[in-house]
Amino acid sequence: AAGVIQSPRHLIKEKRETATLKCYPIPRHDTVYWYQQGPGQDPQFLISFYEKMQSDKGSIPDRFSAQQFSDYHSELNMSSLELGDSALYFCASSLRDRTDTQYFGPGTRLTVL
Amino acid sequence: AQSVTQLGSHVSVSEGALVLLRCNYSSSVPPYLFWYVQYPNQGLQLLLKYTSAATLVKGINGFEAEFKKSETSFHLTKPSAHMSDAAEYFCAVSEGYGGSQGNLIFGKGTKLSVKP
Repeated sequence: AAGVIQSPRHLIKEKRETATLKCYPIPRHDTVYWYQQGPGQDPQFLISFYEKMQSDKGSIPDRFSAQQFSDYHSELNMSSLELGDSALYFCASSLRDRTDTQYFGPGTRLTVL
Repeated sequence: AQSVTQLGSHVSVSEGALVLLRCNYSSSVPPYLFWYVQYPNQGLQLLLKYTSAATLVKGINGFEAEFKKSETSFHLTKPSAHMSDAAEYFCAVSEGYGGSQGNLIFGKGTKLSVKP
């Protein structure tokens, strides 16, 4: 069965650079969530989208933005990267009326040097 | 606001012994509760979930959890630990499904070690 795809899997950036993470949800899933997991930390909800509209917002820095496209894939754009942004970024997808069943992607490991 | 507290950041058991990972929740509305497992350098895999149906929930890999409203708990158990169970386990809560209620709030995680 198709799973959530995230790209790239690993990304290394310098401070103050920008990064774009991509998430391709499971086919027919219309809701996408982004989570950030710092080293040794629990995942923290960043933002979610349904039908290309922002659904909810968590602890996402103002330097970050995200969007969902017509094919339901989502991109997380991160600017002015800081050392503290180094983390594992997960994307999860679900159907709108079944957000009790979220499927997580393998994550993108971002390292900021 | 919802939250979950996982008691014990590290739990070590012997192979074949009972696994008990503790989770207590706080929620102003009937919660949906989840247990996820994370193997090193991998994503999160759903073990089981409680969504207001049966209070005893069976999941994958022989795990189960019981929702106890009076104790605001959702502890994860497995009768007999296997070496392959060594991983980090996260308890999570959401207010339900639909809209902004689907966001998951995770506990700090419990790292399970299994000794031969």
